[in-house]
Amino acid sequence: DTGVSQNPRHKITKRGQNVTFRCDPISEHNRLYWYRQTLGQGPEFLTYFQNEAQLEKSRLLSDRFSAERPKGSFSTLEIQRTEQGDSAMYLCASSLRMGEGTDTQYFGPGTRLTVL
Amino acid sequence: AQTVTQSQPEMSVQEAETVTLSCTYDTSENNYYLFWYKQPPSRQMILVIRQEAYKQQNATENRFSVNFQKAAKSFSLKISDSQLGDTAMYFCALALNAGNMLTFGGGTRLMVKP
Repeated sequence: DTGVSQNPRHKITKRGQNVTFRCDPISEHNRLYWYRQTLGQGPEFLTYFQNEAQLEKSRLLSDRFSAERPKGSFSTLEIQRTEQGDSAMYLCASSLRMGEGTDTQYFGPGTRLTVL
Repeated sequence: AQTVTQSQPEMSVQEAETVTLSCTYDTSENNYYLFWYKQPPSRQMILVIRQEAYKQQNATENRFSVNFQKAAKSFSLKISDSQLGDTAMYFCALALNAGNMLTFGGGTRLMVKP
């Protein structure tokens, strides 16, 4: 068990460019979550997948954001036409959903995005 | 919609002392789950403790324990015998039975002083 990994760890881009982040969950975890955390704040939910199905999206996830989990394993989060307000830490978490109740989410180290 | 409020932006405690971090929440649901996560400086978030709302007994994990007051919608974290490694941001979070996405509070920065 190597934990949740995210790449890249840091990304600096210019306003208007597209960026893509990758998240590799703990193996055999069927749920994967994306959160955004701005400096000094708690994380905010963006979206989550169960296997390859995207089950919920937050209103924070504008049309410029798209997330995929094509084979039910790793996931990508793409931001098109980045804006300075997109600067944040993007966190990925995974969990194993086995039935009723709430499973525990394990977080990755995050990708810090800076939009110049 | 759910909300989680942490009213203490920063706290400090002497090594080996006890500290309590406060958290209040609001939800109209009866079944939910509460969590405390720890985020050390420049390191990833890790789970400290979780509490199921249907359980009356307060959860305990080694030096960490909670005081869960369901009627008051309060969920405080007590850290006993504080250690330097406890220095971190602490986030209180809530999840409903369905959906499972976490709603976080704004965090409390805890500094343990030698």
